[in-house]
Amino acid sequence: DQQVKQNSPSLSVQEGRISILNCDYTNSMFDYFLWYKKYPAEGPTFLISISSIKDKNEDGRFTVFLNKSAKHLSLHIVPSQPGDSAVYFCAASALYNFNKFYFGSGTKLNVKP
Amino acid sequence: GAVVSQHPSRVICKSGTSVKIECRSLDFQATTMFWYRQFPKQSLMLMATSNEGSKATYEQGVEKDKFLINHASLTLSTLTVTSAHPEDSSFYICSARDYWLNGTSTDTQYFGPGTRLTVL
Repeated sequence: DQQVKQNSPSLSVQEGRISILNCDYTNSMFDYFLWYKKYPAEGPTFLISISSIKDKNEDGRFTVFLNKSAKHLSLHIVPSQPGDSAVYFCAASALYNFNKFYFGSGTKLNVKP
Repeated sequence: GAVVSQHPSRVICKSGTSVKIECRSLDFQATTMFWYRQFPKQSLMLMATSNEGSKATYEQGVEKDKFLINHASLTLSTLTVTSAHPEDSSFYICSARDYWLNGTSTDTQYFGPGTRLTVL
């Protein structure tokens, strides 16, 4: 039962342009969302998070948008850099089950020079 | 801050042997640590939740006698793959939960670098 979905397995973007990675969830109880970046053979690195009381959170080049009515969140990276090439996972958790983070299947981003 | 280490980074062993993987939170205390497994080109699969001083909570389908978890202190959790077989070969990743980061309330899992296990 995939409660967090990333429907695009890959995305290719030109350097300097905006990268938009999307994530959908099905559980309306989710109220905390995170994005992680992962290089091959390494553990995921935390990027940015957002709680359900907000609809936007920004940190440098990274902005996460949350649309609760659509159960959709997105990560915007602008401007994209070749070093951003990695697999990006979104994750969600719910207050009633705070110990469990549900991860999407990941989107592989390729930023072309 | 919020650094998590894992040891070893990779291990190759013979079928039937047991392998222990350590996960440490280096600059914070983690009452909760998690163990994940990742197959090639797939997402992270949560295996178990490890709480300091109590028994681990295993996800459905994960054999607790096969994957022994010990969380003896606030900075260390270990995963032991007992009687390893080739199908146990995978990338194992731990994470530690931190509620505070730089004085700000948060709730984030910080991941270790992973351990590549190859069972011959």
